[in-house]
Amino acid sequence: DAKTTQPPSMDCAEGRAANLPCNHSTISGNEYVYWYRQIHSQGPQYIIHGLKNNETNEMASLIITEDRKSSTLILPHATLRDTAVYYCIVRANSNTGNQFYFGTGTSLTVIP
Amino acid sequence: EAQVTQNPRYLITVTGKKLTVTCSQNMNHEYMSWYRQDPGLGLRQIYYSMNVEVTDKGDVPEGYKVSRKEKRNFPLILESPSPNQTSLYFCASSLSGRISEAFFGQGTRLTVV
Repeated sequence: DAKTTQPPSMDCAEGRAANLPCNHSTISGNEYVYWYRQIHSQGPQYIIHGLKNNETNEMASLIITEDRKSSTLILPHATLRDTAVYYCIVRANSNTGNQFYFGTGTSLTVIP
Repeated sequence: EAQVTQNPRYLITVTGKKLTVTCSQNMNHEYMSWYRQDPGLGLRQIYYSMNVEVTDKGDVPEGYKVSRKEKRNFPLILESPSPNQTSLYFCASSLSGRISEAFFGQGTRLTVV
């Protein structure tokens, strides 16, 4: 699986959009981009995933560049409860082997 | 409610005393896995299971055992715990090994003294 690179930390003002970048320059054609978050040592929580089209759900939007070498997770109106560590994961669509490599993520702090 | 349940949530034990951390899911998921989380290292996979009676090593399997005798349960066994296994442990399950959302338990904080 391709490795990902994320900034270790970011701040965002409450109510503003939080844009979390992720680089995955070695991603291959069958690998998806996943985002999870972990709030203060709780179990990681799934947010969203995509292959090459932009995706949106009730939690967030995922923007993937045309060359698929990077992506951005957007939390449109950040709240204090969005303070968490956000993990970008690149994962193959395969039914064999290990699929999840979490890395160290981005620690997002939402500031009142 | 769909969930992954781990027990215990907190455990302090002594070196060499065998222990088991249980994990159970109620979603009929095929794929289950165990992770440990240590400061600065993120989550690292210990073992995973594609289905009943099918298990395989993840990135850091040394010192751990698992079993998958039935679909819903995936216990993590430490035959002879050592202090370097002090960590936060998470169990996860997903519908299959293919693209699907993974659900995580609330974690087990283990301290080995």
